[in-house]
Amino acid sequence: DGGITQSPKYLFRKEGQNVTLSCEQNLNHDAMYWYRQDPGQGLRLIYYSQIVNDFQKGDIAEGYSVSREKKESFPLTVTSAQKNPTAFYLCASRDTSEQYFGPGTRLTVT
Amino acid sequence: DQQVKKNSPSLSVQEGRISILNCDYTNSMFDYFLWYKKYPAEGPTFLISISSIKDKNEDGRFTVFLNKSAKHLSLHIVPSQPGDSAVYFCAASPNAGNNRKLIWGLGTSLAVNP
Repeated sequence: DGGITQSPKYLFRKEGQNVTLSCEQNLNHDAMYWYRQDPGQGLRLIYYSQIVNDFQKGDIAEGYSVSREKKESFPLTVTSAQKNPTAFYLCASRDTSEQYFGPGTRLTVT
Repeated sequence: DQQVKKNSPSLSVQEGRISILNCDYTNSMFDYFLWYKKYPAEGPTFLISISSIKDKNEDGRFTVFLNKSAKHLSLHIVPSQPGDSAVYFCAASPNAGNNRKLIWGLGTSLAVNP
């Protein structure tokens, strides 16, 4: 069945390490998005990609990087330059109007 | 600048009654509005949407109302059920060609008590 998968569900890293969060979709959607959610906050856009081999910075791209080499995959790397990396990360893809979300990855950096 | 604002951080209603969640927005270029529901530690799920050419859209127990002159969006859930307890986000899409970046509100926590 179609959907968006994010792995792992929980991720723990030491400060100073880069970490890559996986996002895969089999919905054949062109557009994909990465958000982060912090307690009591809305969703803030990190990066988005409208099509393969193209991506754009969102509102809070500093300290993050992405790639879009395949339509199905949009991995997010949280680099050591990200000052507050501990958060709940959500990946989404879009058809004509609605965005469909994966289950999220809770990243904890200590 | 928060372009989409929720009107209250939380709401508590009795099972069977109506739940009304509200959002205000500031950008008159928004032309498409959506409501999402989110359980803890899960991704949001799409509930219902409305285009700016309409003022009401209904889907089962969920109805979204759009008041363009007041820049106000609301979601009515009737009758409310305990399973509706979640955080609800409104989102808006600006009229920016094919971009469809969503601008998200901060979320309202709904508790439906049995």
